Amino acid sequence: QVQLEESGPGLVKPSETLSLTCTVSGDSVSSGSYYWTWIRQPPGKGLEWIGYMYGTGGTKYSPPLSSRLTISVDRSKNQFSLELRSVTAADTAIYYCARLYTALDFWGQGTLVTVSS
Amino acid sequence: DIQMTQSPSSMSASVGDRVTISCRASQDIHTWLAWYQQKPGKVPKLLIYGASTLQGGVPSRFSGSGSGTHFTLTISNLQPEDFATYYCQQANNFPFAFGPGTTVEIK
Repeated sequence: QVQLEESGPGLVKPSETLSLTCTVSGDSVSSGSYYWTWIRQPPGKGLEWIGYMYGTGGTKYSPPLSSRLTISVDRSKNQFSLELRSVTAADTAIYYCARLYTALDFWGQGTLVTVSS
Repeated sequence: DIQMTQSPSSMSASVGDRVTISCRASQDIHTWLAWYQQKPGKVPKLLIYGASTLQGGVPSRFSGSGSGTHFTLTISNLQPEDFATYYCQQANNFPFAFGPGTTVEIK
């Protein structure tokens, strides 16, 4: 069974960098079949794409976030990570990692990140 | 970017009802459309992909149809556990936008 688990700080100060890691078990982030994605959901609101990486290491970022965003992979730990720079209160959300094939079939439990001083 | 809309934004229904939720894409996405169910405080759950293919383990009272720009999620014989918010999502062109959601509430 594929499992994903997000980890990282739950509180980030404005203008600083939000960093999260997704640890994958039951599958390989190096698999060429899937896209490993980040999605977020502001409290009480809908789902928003952040971006994804695929098995060869390529990435695709949501245009509104692309100038502040880096998604990277650590194959030795079977993890992929998110780095969002210069955060503001608008970046407060539950952050999910998920596996995408034709749809998002496996999700992590999500982690709430609050941007506040 | 492709924009997704859903209607209605919310609805009230009773156990046993047949419920239909509409999703529209701003351009042709063929059948690259998925539906998710999200209950309060829970992780979204994949119900349908490819517009009409039921994900494993999802009850057969859920069905999806459509292609191009207009899609429908139907829940026949609504059950108490089906009260939730439903999102469509296109997977034709990145960013793979989600619809704004449809909340199904108990009447």
